[in-house]
Amino acid sequence: GAGVSQSPSNKVTEKGKDVELRCDPISGHTALYWYRQSLGQGLEFLIYFQGNSAPDKSGLPSDRFSAERTGGSVSTLTIQRTQQEDSAVYLCASSWDLGQPQHFGDGTRLSIL
Amino acid sequence: AQSVTQPDIHITVSEGASLELRCNYSYGATPYLFWYVQSPGQGLQLLLKYFSGDTLVQGIKGFEAEFKRSQSSFNLRKPSVHWSDAAEYFCAVAGRDAGNMLTFGGGTRLMVKP
Repeated sequence: GAGVSQSPSNKVTEKGKDVELRCDPISGHTALYWYRQSLGQGLEFLIYFQGNSAPDKSGLPSDRFSAERTGGSVSTLTIQRTQQEDSAVYLCASSWDLGQPQHFGDGTRLSIL
Repeated sequence: AQSVTQPDIHITVSEGASLELRCNYSYGATPYLFWYVQSPGQGLQLLLKYFSGDTLVQGIKGFEAEFKRSQSSFNLRKPSVHWSDAAEYFCAVAGRDAGNMLTFGGGTRLMVKP
């Protein structure tokens, strides 16, 4: 497709379970970003990749969060031992290079029971 | 650290009326500036961006924004609002350094009266 694709669109899971969120960026985009949108915190930056490298992981909320990117394309955001405060919409964005406009996917709505 | 303030949480305008959404930012130099729009259940769509040059930038859907360095502002305007413009609008800044990650304002929810 032409845009950023995220899956699943919705995920409901029990507290303590691990979840994996996937992002397919626009073809050819070298930069990829993860953001989280929640009622209490608004839109907040989590992590970015330039190619397969994530130079700055300081935005990740805790060590339960990790992300990787392979082949300079697909990225996965993994949350281990989910907590209720992890409930949010997780948005992925890509741009053809750093400093260029970011194009967003529709997000994954994560609900922790 | 950079920050963005959108003073108006909600705004209601009549269809056909003009619109101005306010955005103030804090950053040590001139950042990259953006406006995004989000409809319910959707991701963020880029309306317009300012990188350099002309301080009045045109975007999609008839929107424009003006960068005012002296006021650290980047207000979004539209001369005549349509019912389909009802959505949430986010102003964002990105530093011109490594990463260029976006820092967002809290958003302004626009309602349009018929």
